[in-house]
Parts: sequence; structure tokens; C-alpha cells
Amino acid sequence: ETGVTQSPTHLIKTRGQQVTLRCSSQSGHNTVSWYQQALGQGPQFIFQYYREEENGRGNFPPRFSGLQFPNYSSELNVNALELDDSALYLCASSFRASSSQALRYTFGSGTRLTVV
Amino acid sequence: GQQVMQIPQYQHVQEGEDFTTYCNSSTTLSNIQWYKQRPGGHPVFLIQLVKSGEVKKQKRLTFQFGEAKKNSSLHITATQTTDVGTYFCAGGNDYKLSFGAGTTVTVRA
Repeated sequence: ETGVTQSPTHLIKTRGQQVTLRCSSQSGHNTVSWYQQALGQGPQFIFQYYREEENGRGNFPPRFSGLQFPNYSSELNVNALELDDSALYLCASSFRASSSQALRYTFGSGTRLTVV
Repeated sequence: GQQVMQIPQYQHVQEGEDFTTYCNSSTTLSNIQWYKQRPGGHPVFLIQLVKSGEVKKQKRLTFQFGEAKKNSSLHITATQTTDVGTYFCAGGNDYKLSFGAGTTVTVRA
């Protein structure tokens, strides 16, 4: 059973640029959640995808967007990067059997994004 | 919106001693989960509590879910150097988990 893999592991971007982060979910999982973790803080919920549709969103602006593909892999896109976007971006996959089930997450190792 | 608070933020423990970290939610939770993140790593699932008053043990770790399902605790006995890391509680409601800021544990040998 493969775990959650994220790419790239590290990335440096310039303010105003756009970035795409990728996540391959664990085999058998159908739900992907994205979190932003600033240094020394807990993960902050960005959004979740279930069956290729966004299924909830945290307090992040529209320039944070995502996709989920038929194989349940996912992308996080961030436009017009700001310095405060510098953080560890974590992808977590899980299996959901119903739309409101509490989920146990398997996290990937994250993408460390630095905006300069 | 739902907020999850953890105390203390930092816990410095002598090897062999016990300690407890606490988690409080502003709303009633359907479940509480605990994760451990080692320095430079990613959160790793430890346990999920669902029932009011539930207590679960994993070796030296004891997890408890409050009767009102708004608070939880993690108690570690006989702390070892392998316990170093940040422990997060995460409150679950419907589709998402809301993480606390974590308790960062350091151990003095």
C-alpha cells in the first residue's frame, strides 16, 4: 500500500507568481484535504475534495484553488503569490463512505514553499 | 467558526516524568483526533476518539475525550526521548478537521 506523495518537496517562487502543488493520495482513498502550516503553527484547513468536487473550504482567498482527478490525485494552485504564503503545504488523504463521516487522515510529507 | 485551543504550547519534560497536554474546542465535536509531528516531519495519526467520556491507551499514552465532547487530553507517562515532537489535537465535524496549534515537547535526558 503506497502512502501519500507530494511534489515538489521544496519550491522557491517570486511574489506575484503562480504555483501548482501536486498530491497522490493513498491507494483506496477517495478524499483529499489541503492544509497550510506556517512555521510553529498548526495546520490550517484550505479545502477538501471528494469525488472530484470541492467539499468544504477554509478561510482562504479565491486565489487558492484546487482540483481532484478521477484517480483521486489532487492539485493545489495558488495565484498572485504573497510573502505570507510561505509555508509547508500538506496534503492529507482519507476514505469517505458517506458525505459527513469523520475522517482519519494520512498526510504526505508536504511541499515547503518559500515566496521571496 | 470552530476553534481548537491547546495548552501548554511548550512542554519541557525530564526523561522519566509524566505530563499532560489539553485540548479545548469552542463547539461540540463529532470526534477528536490526535497527531504527532516530529521535527521536520509531517503529522502522523495517533488515535481517534468518538464517544463521550471515551478513554483509550497506547502503551504509555492515554487519550481522553470529555463528557461534553468539547475537550480532550493526552497524558504521557515515563517520558522518553522518542516522545519529542509536536502533538496536535484535531476536532472533527462533518467534512473537516480543525487543528490546534500543538504542544511542542522537548525532553531533558
